[in-house]
Amino acid sequence: EVQLIESGGALVMPGGSLRLSCAASGFTFSNAWMSWVRQAPGKGLEWVVRIKSKTDNGTIDYAAPVKGRFTISRDDSKNILYLQLNSLKTEDTAVYYCTTEGRSIPAAVFDSWGQGTLVTVSS
Amino acid sequence: DIVMTQSPDSLAVSLGERATINCKSSQSVFYSSHNQNYLAWYQQKPGQPPKLLIYWASTRESGVPDRFSGSGSGTDFTLTISSLQAEDVAVYYCHQYYTTPHTFGQGTKLEIK
Repeated sequence: EVQLIESGGALVMPGGSLRLSCAASGFTFSNAWMSWVRQAPGKGLEWVVRIKSKTDNGTIDYAAPVKGRFTISRDDSKNILYLQLNSLKTEDTAVYYCTTEGRSIPAAVFDSWGQGTLVTVSS
Repeated sequence: DIVMTQSPDSLAVSLGERATINCKSSQSVFYSSHNQNYLAWYQQKPGQPPKLLIYWASTRESGVPDRFSGSGSGTDFTLTISSLQAEDVAVYYCHQYYTTPHTFGQGTKLEIK
């Protein structure tokens, strides 16, 4: 069974930093493309960033609102995905979901999701 | 960026009746070399993460009931629930994966009339 378990969400002040983690199990993590998708309270879904597998060169793509502030990384030896959030703004307040991208089907869709971790940016 | 626009924003349908949700992309998401539309649909129930329902515009994910169907091509797409069940109350999102940034529609809230 695929499991994605996010952690690290917290209340942080504007300008602060946070590191989110996503522990993956039930599939070959090293082969998976992974993404973070966020959802502000009461709002819709917003894709944040993707990291491809190392066999696909580990290419990283960021959404414009987070480029230069957020950094995605992966530890394939530990099956963990990370998201470093720096220079946080109030508009970054959201539930952050870890997702697989095209893990079980040949399409770059978000086919497995974690339960999410809440990041609140407020003074 | 490709802008995805859903209609309506909310919808109330009687149990057993048909529900139809539309999604329009600001540019075509049809990839001719693959002969596929790079369009997916998700269902999100309160307090839960989204769940993939349909990809390639019309292919149901494994385990999704066949009352859910997707159609459309190019820039105009539809999600249809043929006979609404109580457990289908949720917010539904379309998603284009034709190019990054991935983008979603704003969501359509489906309720029971």
